[in-house]
Amino acid sequence: SQTIHQWPATLVQPVGSPLSLECTVEGTSNPNLYWYRQAAGRGLQLLFYSVGIGQISSEVPQNLSASRPQDRQFILSSKKLLLSDSGFYLCAWSGLAGKTYNEQFFGPGTRLTVL
Amino acid sequence: AQKVTQAQTEISVVEKEDVTLDCVYETRDTTYYLFWYKQPPSGELVFLIRRNSFDEQNEISGRYSWNFQKSTSSFNFTITASQVVDSAVYFCALKTSYDKVIFGPGTSLSVIP
Repeated sequence: SQTIHQWPATLVQPVGSPLSLECTVEGTSNPNLYWYRQAAGRGLQLLFYSVGIGQISSEVPQNLSASRPQDRQFILSSKKLLLSDSGFYLCAWSGLAGKTYNEQFFGPGTRLTVL
Repeated sequence: AQKVTQAQTEISVVEKEDVTLDCVYETRDTTYYLFWYKQPPSGELVFLIRRNSFDEQNEISGRYSWNFQKSTSSFNFTITASQVVDSAVYFCALKTSYDKVIFGPGTSLSVIP
């Protein structure tokens, strides 16, 4: 079966500090990978998605970046965090688990607080 | 343009009541997929169901049922005999020919014991 991991689970960082969030998927190959952000009490905002190693599409211009160094690894980074970067970050994958690339499966999320 | 509307921001019901969560979508594509996800207080989104545009059959899974009507562009979700564990935010979502899922704003359901 497929599983998706995210770490850390929670993070408190000062403004201006760097960020690195990691997501890994097990039990599948060639997944599509996604990073979402959810501000408190609000909906999901797609930040980045990737259809393969080194292929990153950005949805929202901001001080965040993403990388996919390996097939099942997706990293979200920032050089300098802003207060507005606080939120709940969710990684998701889609692939052939259900013989379709349509539904996405989400990780447990990382709750980031920037002070 | 694609859009998903969940007009009910918050719903509160007493345990054992039935509750329907509304979802209205907009798309010009003829092939599309609709989803429902549940987000409990822990935060992780749990996939509940996928329905494609060619299959208008309603589906029932235990206490959950889904009513897909293309004529009204709606994909409503009903929970029968609600339980406290059903308390969560529920998201309706749409995927068309592009590989991105558009989520609705979510409906927060509170089931009161």
